[in-house]
Amino acid sequence: AQSVTQLDSQVPVFEEAPVELRCNYSSSVSVYLFWYVQYPNQGLQLLLKYLSGSTLVESINGFEAEFNKSQTSFHLRKPSVHISDTAEYFCAVSDNNAGNMLTFGGGTRLMVKP
Amino acid sequence: KAGVTQTPRYLIKTRGQQVTLSCSPISGHRSVSWYQQTPGQGLQFLFEYFSETQRNKGNFPGRFSGRQFSNSRSEMNVSTLELGDSALYLCASTPGTSNTEAFFGQGTRLTVV
Repeated sequence: AQSVTQLDSQVPVFEEAPVELRCNYSSSVSVYLFWYVQYPNQGLQLLLKYLSGSTLVESINGFEAEFNKSQTSFHLRKPSVHISDTAEYFCAVSDNNAGNMLTFGGGTRLMVKP
Repeated sequence: KAGVTQTPRYLIKTRGQQVTLSCSPISGHRSVSWYQQTPGQGLQFLFEYFSETQRNKGNFPGRFSGRQFSNSRSEMNVSTLELGDSALYLCASTPGTSNTEAFFGQGTRLTVV
């Protein structure tokens, strides 16, 4: 069985500061990892994904995440956050045995303050 | 290309009633998955349909059911509603190949009173 742990339920940060949202997963097989973002009263939008290849993946809006197999982690980072990054962020895992089923972490609420 | 469409956006139902939610996936996508989102339990997988067949099922009681039509549109049904069924129900559309990107709709907010 898979599981995902997001260690911080809330992360307050000032605008233009760096941020890291932590994600650890547990799985007995090779995994595929995703970060989704959810704005209030909206669905989920894919931020970035790791399927294979380079362990460092980047999004178009400045976020990046690194797949670390030995530490079973997929932390999300951004060097300088903006007010508009305020949202809830979800880490998710899938694998070859699960079809398109995603197992989500509990979410991290990023609160960017001016 | 139109995104994933879920209808209705909001619903209020009474305990004991049943409800049907609808999801139209992105054109050409053959897989539809459903998730329940609540403050207490977070995002939980309900089931996945692919080519009109249920391919995967989460740990929910039999009151939760779904189906998929030949045009890939999907419905989920909840019978004998309970207060705890109040949640945001999200639908995700995927081309069909496992582990590719899932596109989510805006969800249906169900309130059971």
